[in-house]
Amino acid sequence: NAGVTQTPKFQVLKTGQSMTLQCAQDMNHEYMSWYRQDPGMGLRLIHYSVGAGITDQGEVPNGYNVSRSTTEDFPLRLLSAAPSQTSVYFCASSYSRIAGGHYGYTFGSGTRLTVV
Amino acid sequence: DQQVKQNSPSLSVQEGRISILNCDYTNSMFDYFLWYKKYPAEGPTFLISISSIKDKNEDGRFTVFLNKSAKHLSLHIVPSQPGDSAVYFCAAGYGNKLVFGAGTILRVKS
Repeated sequence: NAGVTQTPKFQVLKTGQSMTLQCAQDMNHEYMSWYRQDPGMGLRLIHYSVGAGITDQGEVPNGYNVSRSTTEDFPLRLLSAAPSQTSVYFCASSYSRIAGGHYGYTFGSGTRLTVV
Repeated sequence: DQQVKQNSPSLSVQEGRISILNCDYTNSMFDYFLWYKKYPAEGPTFLISISSIKDKNEDGRFTVFLNKSAKHLSLHIVPSQPGDSAVYFCAAGYGNKLVFGAGTILRVKS
């Protein structure tokens, strides 16, 4: 019963480098999303997907790309890393966006990213 | 523009006493509200939710109260236990929009 698995747990990037944060869930959830957590800011939505092949922007999408080729996987790509993207990133999933709002999302354990 | 505010960054409570965590929101469109708990190095875990048609929801030691006229949400934990020490996030949403507060650190002293 893995739930939501995020890799890597820690990453240090140099400014301008690109990388992909991986997220996989084994609960057959249709809805998946990426959040970033910054001190004093709470969790802010970056991108979300309501099913395979369907993605949309959240509150802070700039500098990030996503795709959803399968129900299980929802990778987050940083195109050209900037120090402002230093944060803790969480992937979350739910049966649906509305269900997640009422019954809660399942979150991964996070990826701590530092951009120097 | 912070639509969901948790004005207390931290709260310290004695074991066995009540913990009260507060949350204020500004958007009248929000129609469901949730509380999440987060331990260090882990993702947030869902705790309890309430829809705008109710003013109270209870689950064991956890009770959420909603005051729509004041746009205020609170989480009561009774009795508080040392294992409750964590960061608590409130969240509010409507439709496809869900907004989180900045979190309150709860410390329960034994």
